[in-house]
Amino acid sequence: EAGVTQFPSHSVIEKGQTVTLRCDPISGHDNLYWYRRVMGKEIKFLLHFVKESKQDESGMPNNRFLAERTGGTYSTLKVQPAELEDSGVYFCASVLGGTDTQYFGPGTRLTVL
Amino acid sequence: AQKVTQAQTEISVVEKEDVTLDCVYETRDTTYYLFWYKQPPSGELVFLIRRNSFDEQNEISGRYSWNFQKSTSSFNFTITASQVVDSAVYFCALSEASDSWGKFQFGAGTQVVVTP
Repeated sequence: EAGVTQFPSHSVIEKGQTVTLRCDPISGHDNLYWYRRVMGKEIKFLLHFVKESKQDESGMPNNRFLAERTGGTYSTLKVQPAELEDSGVYFCASVLGGTDTQYFGPGTRLTVL
Repeated sequence: AQKVTQAQTEISVVEKEDVTLDCVYETRDTTYYLFWYKQPPSGELVFLIRRNSFDEQNEISGRYSWNFQKSTSSFNFTITASQVVDSAVYFCALSEASDSWGKFQFGAGTQVVVTP
């Protein structure tokens, strides 16, 4: 069974540009989470989807971040326009309904110059 | 305020030594869940263990063991007879029942370096 996949693995962009990160959860996992780790600090929650609905987006830093999960399958996280402080590793995780163990992807390392 | 504290930033050991990683959490919930994840150099977070607040029994899995103590709000992790493959960043995480389902609060992580 394929695990959680994320694309791209690395992205280097300039301040002001737009970047879109993609996450493909484990098939059948209705719950999808985005997290971010900035500069060796703790991994912080961004938001939670249940199927295509945003269940909790309390961790989204500001309105430059837009997450979508059309059709309840894969999810995208768009940063527009990117700022220097957006640099970090963005993790995606999925959870099978009725359970609570999160399975994480390898992360996307975003560098904003 | 940070709810999960991993005070050790980095621990270096020589192979075969034991290493204990500390995790202290803070919550007002009576129902909560604690997790440990391993992040090897490849980057993904690998699930190691899940423990709910009502189960204080310590657990052993091979060379790994976990000591959960509610009295001190700690969930420490010990690697016995460490190996080079244990080199990774280890994260402790808390999920509170009062919070949205599955939302994790992570500690800052502890880098473990095992040298031959």
